[in-house]
Amino acid sequence: SQELEQSPQSLIVQEGKNLTINCTSSKTLYGLYWYKQKYGEGLIFLMMLQKGGEEKSHEKITAKLDEKKQQSSLHITASQPSHAGIYLCGADSRDQGAQKLVFGQGTRLTINP
Amino acid sequence: EAQVTQNPRYLITVTGKKLTVTCSQNMNHEYMSWYRQDPGLGLRQIYYSMNVEVTDKGDVPEGYKVSRKEKRNFPLILESPSPNQTSLYFCASSLFRRKEVGFGYGYTFGSGTRLTVV
Repeated sequence: SQELEQSPQSLIVQEGKNLTINCTSSKTLYGLYWYKQKYGEGLIFLMMLQKGGEEKSHEKITAKLDEKKQQSSLHITASQPSHAGIYLCGADSRDQGAQKLVFGQGTRLTINP
Repeated sequence: EAQVTQNPRYLITVTGKKLTVTCSQNMNHEYMSWYRQDPGLGLRQIYYSMNVEVTDKGDVPEGYKVSRKEKRNFPLILESPSPNQTSLYFCASSLFRRKEVGFGYGYTFGSGTRLTVV
């Protein structure tokens, strides 16, 4: 079955600094999602990437999909306190024809003022 | 507003007392799924449903039941809850992906249900 590994597991950065979170898949990526979760709350959809080389941006967050490396990265520029939370990558898994969204373990981001 | 609604948001119950967590979506989505989230284990799929009357086990189905009698509703049933089912639960829905259509639809998640079994 497909597994996603996120790195780092936790990250503490000073406000205003840039940061990158990586998500590596054990199998080919057909669709990759990034979600943000405030501690103990629901998942907020950030972006969906479908094709190798695809890059999407929303405000100060940019996500890229490297299909050959089976990897996606999430980059935040000039971080702000509002960026704090848990970032989760999810991937469409095609195991035995069933539709399934598998998740990485999450990256806990803390922004220090 | 397009959304997935879960109820209740918080629930504390005792071991063995049957409970149901409801999930409803208003987007006419075919696919619905339940996940549980635990520290260190991430989000794991419990059950999913491709359409009405079609359900299947996910990765951690033990101790849970589901039903899909209507397209919009997908309740999660714990017949005899145990403390190891204390967790944060999420319901999600999506259009069902068909190979010929390709992947192009996102998943919408509910706000979560925090369940504590004592």
